[in-house]
Amino acid sequence: GQNIDQPTEMTATEGAIVQINCTYQTSGFNGLFWYQQHAGEAPTFLSYNVLDGLEEKGRFSSFLSRSKGYSYLLLKELQMKDSASYLCAASSNTGKLIFGQGTTLQVKP
Amino acid sequence: GAGVSQSPRYKVAKRGQDVALRCDPISGHVSLFWYQQALGQGPEFLTYFQNEAQLDKSGLPSDRFFAERPEGSVSTLKIQRTQQEDSAVYLCASSPGSVEQYFGPGTRLTVT
Repeated sequence: GQNIDQPTEMTATEGAIVQINCTYQTSGFNGLFWYQQHAGEAPTFLSYNVLDGLEEKGRFSSFLSRSKGYSYLLLKELQMKDSASYLCAASSNTGKLIFGQGTTLQVKP
Repeated sequence: GAGVSQSPRYKVAKRGQDVALRCDPISGHVSLFWYQQALGQGPEFLTYFQNEAQLDKSGLPSDRFFAERPEGSVSTLKIQRTQQEDSAVYLCASSPGSVEQYFGPGTRLTVT
């Protein structure tokens, strides 16, 4: 079967670092996406990992281990505007995305 | 336009009515995807087009759901005889290839 697991909710403090984990089991795995989604809005692209390792992009970094079926999204220097849902999605070789349920991150002052 | 657009943004339908949801992808994007997102959940795949060809419809929940993209651009998702469990946000995404997908704002369907 296909399964994506990520925590339902997380809370962190403004200025801190938070790591959101994601484990996946999918067939025809091509790569791993992270999307950010604010309430009532469309998901917006954050990162895409195909190879093992860490990809850094400003305050956001994403890590992938294909052998372990594991990824994480690291957010540094948290800002209030980072409060949102973070979606982990595995991409198949057809481009279809299999999403996790999303992690709702609340950033507190 | 600059991004993916969807219409209507909000739709209220009485149970049993038919609805049609429209998606205008980014110009030139070959791939188009439809997803269904229930409240508090991640999006779930419904169907995928490459140009006008519907290559995967494995996610359509029942034969009441039908999607088309006749000219390889605009796509319509039709739901016949709507049921309460069809209430969700319907997201459309387009892609120039088969990697990064650009999402539209979604259509929020409420079936009463």
